[in-house]
Amino acid sequence: QQQVKQSPQSLIVQKGGIPIINCAYENTAFDYFPWYQQFPGKGPALLIAIRPDVSEKKEGRFTISFNKSAKQFSLHIMDSQPGDSATYFCAAVPDNYGQNFVFGPGTRLSVLP
Amino acid sequence: NAGVTQTPKFQVLKTGQSMTLQCAQDMNHEYMSWYRQDPGMGLRLIHYSVGAGITDQGEVPNGYNVSRSTTEDFPLRLLSAAPSQTSVYFCASRGGWDSSAGELFFGEGSRLTVL
Repeated sequence: QQQVKQSPQSLIVQKGGIPIINCAYENTAFDYFPWYQQFPGKGPALLIAIRPDVSEKKEGRFTISFNKSAKQFSLHIMDSQPGDSATYFCAAVPDNYGQNFVFGPGTRLSVLP
Repeated sequence: NAGVTQTPKFQVLKTGQSMTLQCAQDMNHEYMSWYRQDPGMGLRLIHYSVGAGITDQGEVPNGYNVSRSTTEDFPLRLLSAAPSQTSVYFCASRGGWDSSAGELFFGEGSRLTVL
């Protein structure tokens, strides 16, 4: 069964801290792993994405680490700011034509000033 | 640059009533989809479409109907609303239907309460 597990469910850090959100999957056909950021009252928006041919991708303060053998990937937020407070969803997309995004249950992040 | 537009933003229904959530995109995307978001459940796929005239069921299709007569529009119909359909609904579109198509664009959501 296609499923993406995500932890923790919620996370509170101080400004400047480095929150880490972890995701795991089972289906080896997944080959695209995006992270979405959602602010209250808004739709999710793409934050950063990775494909399994690389082990790490960095965009600004956001980094994805990918471990293909363990079937795990994680999001790190460097120097976190109160404006990063949001819900974060990991997702996985199979490489087969005609498949859909599979989302994790989400992590609610609060960055305290 | 509107992207994905959903209406209405808020709706209250009584059990048994029917209604349609509207979704329109102006990016000429082939792929459109509807998700519902419930606390602790993430985003669950209801129905999706890969082009005009083509629709298919997602993970949680019961109680919902869709059609795709144009590339731009993908309405979601609730046939006989139930309290279990109280949720936030998101429409999303994408340029293609495989993993190379990249980003999934979401609307701002429609919050539905069924009494």
